[in-house]
Amino acid sequence: AQSVTQLGSHVSVSEGALVLLRCNYSSSVPPYLFWYVQYPNQGLQLLLKYTTGATLVKGINGFEAEFKKSETSFHLTKPSAHMSDAAEYFCAVSEVSGGYNKLIFGAGTRLAVHP
Amino acid sequence: NAGVTQTPKFRVLKTGQSMTLLCAQDMNHEYMYWYRQDPGMGLRLIHYSVGEGTTAKGEVPDGYNVSRLKKQNFLLGLESAAPSQTSVYFCASSYSGLAGAGTGELFFGEGSRLTVL
Repeated sequence: AQSVTQLGSHVSVSEGALVLLRCNYSSSVPPYLFWYVQYPNQGLQLLLKYTTGATLVKGINGFEAEFKKSETSFHLTKPSAHMSDAAEYFCAVSEVSGGYNKLIFGAGTRLAVHP
Repeated sequence: NAGVTQTPKFRVLKTGQSMTLLCAQDMNHEYMYWYRQDPGMGLRLIHYSVGEGTTAKGEVPDGYNVSRLKKQNFLLGLESAAPSQTSVYFCASSYSGLAGAGTGELFFGEGSRLTVL
């Protein structure tokens, strides 16, 4: 079974600083990879995804992630943090089981942005 | 544009009571899922359905039952609630879960917070 590891359950940055959230996965085949964001008291919404093609993926709200097969990583970055980015972020990988895709989630990283 | 709707949003139960969470989606998605979210553990799949009339076990199915009598609805039941089932429950749906036929991107409801005393 595949697994997803998110390094750091809590990350704190200053407004305007670089945001870097780390995600590593285990997979024996090229995976589909996702980042979801969860704002307080809300459901998860898709931030960006990698399926095939260009390894640098751009998402909403200025976030991007780079798929690095050699490092089995899919780290999420944003050049300049905004207060509204404070949320919990989940990395996920698709797993094929019984002919169907299911998503396997990491434990999540809570991002705090301070003035 | 409702998307995925969960009811109720909050519920408090006593140990041993039963209840049902309802999930409804208006996107004509074939695939529906129930996850639970616990601090430090991310989301864990309870049960899922690949189409009307079908259900399958996920990662943590014990203590839960599900039914998919209509394509747009996916019900999660707790027959005898336990304190360990205190959690936030998320329903999700996707257009296609077939390997190679889609990315498996999920659309989520806003969650149902359940407390079992």
